[in-house]
Amino acid sequence: AAGVIQSPRHLIKEKRETATLKCYPIPRHDTVYWYQQGPGQDPQFLISFYEKMQSDKGSIPDRFSAQQFSDYHSELNMSSLELGDSALYFCASSYGTSGGEQFFGPGTRLTVL
Amino acid sequence: KNQVEQSPQSLIILEGKNCTLQCNYTVSPFSNLRWYKQDTGRGPVSLTIMTFSENTKSNGRYTATLDADTKQSSLHITASQLSDSASYICVVSPKNYGGSQGNLIFGKGTKLSVKP
Repeated sequence: AAGVIQSPRHLIKEKRETATLKCYPIPRHDTVYWYQQGPGQDPQFLISFYEKMQSDKGSIPDRFSAQQFSDYHSELNMSSLELGDSALYFCASSYGTSGGEQFFGPGTRLTVL
Repeated sequence: KNQVEQSPQSLIILEGKNCTLQCNYTVSPFSNLRWYKQDTGRGPVSLTIMTFSENTKSNGRYTATLDADTKQSSLHITASQLSDSASYICVVSPKNYGGSQGNLIFGKGTKLSVKP
């Protein structure tokens, strides 16, 4: 069965650079969630989209932005990268927002040097 | 404050043995509780998902229980295998006023190591 696809899987950037992470949800899933997981930490919710509209916002820094496109894929744009942004970024998708199970992608490991 | 607490933080068992992981939560109202398995550097993989009306759910060698009165859940792993070595994360989804799913609240996980 198709799973959530994230690209790239690994990314190395320098401070103050920008990065774009992509997420392709499971087919027919209309909701996408972004999470940030620092080393040894539990995932922190960043932002979610339902039917291409922002549905919820968590601890996403102002330097980050995200959107969901007409084909339901989502992109997380990160600017002015800081060392502390080094983390595993997960995308999850679900069908609807009423308790539908979230399926996680493999994550993108971002390293900021 | 909505919280999810897991115990133990880490656990080492021998291959073939059983083990039980605990999860206590203070999320209310809550929509559902999930157990995920996360290998190092990989995305969490769902094992079970239970609503407040469900007491137990099994997925192969994994059996989750839920006591909504005491706000406790457990994950029992039977006949452990080396491949069970991973972090097991208890995740609670609160219910928003409108009935929609709130942000997932993650426990910090139990790191299980299965030794030969």
